[in-house]
Amino acid sequence: NAGVTQTPKFRVLKTGQSMTLLCAQDMNHEYMYWYRQDPGMGLRLIHYSVGEGTTAKGEVPDGYNVSRLKKQNFLLGLESAAPSQTSVYFCASSKAGGGRETQYFGPGTRLLVL
Amino acid sequence: GQQLNQSPQSMFIQEGEDVSMNCTSSSIFNTWLWYKQEPGEGPVLLIALYKAGELTSNGRLTAQFGITRKDSFLNISASIPSDVGIYFCAGQHSGAGSYQLTFGKGTKLSVIP
Repeated sequence: NAGVTQTPKFRVLKTGQSMTLLCAQDMNHEYMYWYRQDPGMGLRLIHYSVGEGTTAKGEVPDGYNVSRLKKQNFLLGLESAAPSQTSVYFCASSKAGGGRETQYFGPGTRLLVL
Repeated sequence: GQQLNQSPQSMFIQEGEDVSMNCTSSSIFNTWLWYKQEPGEGPVLLIALYKAGELTSNGRLTAQFGITRKDSFLNISASIPSDVGIYFCAGQHSGAGSYQLTFGKGTKLSVIP
């Protein structure tokens, strides 16, 4: 039981390049989330999914797209990377929504956009 | 968006000392959560609080859900070197949209042996 895993761990992009971050969970959780963490900031929600085939915008969705084709995977895409997207990206999952469902976080993907 | 003010931003303490940090919000939350993040890792849940006035412990950690529902406190007693990390508070509503967490900016704790 690996929990939440993220691929890759670290990536360097040039401005304008595209990439996809992969999140996988093996806990059969319905809800999945993508956050970004910037220095001196808490985590901010980018997009989330309440089930396979569904996605919704979070607090800071601009410049990102997501897909949830399989229940266990949640992909975060950057179509045209910008330096402002340099950040650490965390994926999380929870059994369901609601105040009593713990969100479990992955180890993060560090992205540097030059 | 909603704001969570977490203080202090950082702390340097001697091993064995007690630690206190807090979070205040401009709005009411129905759940308060405290996470710890170690370097190179994702946040890990330490304590969850679901009721105003609730006081919950997890080993040397104790957290309280403020009566006004706009604040929460975390105390660490008899700190040890492995307590080093960044501690985040997070608030969560109930009902529609309740899966979204609002995070504080974190308290960076350094423990001097």
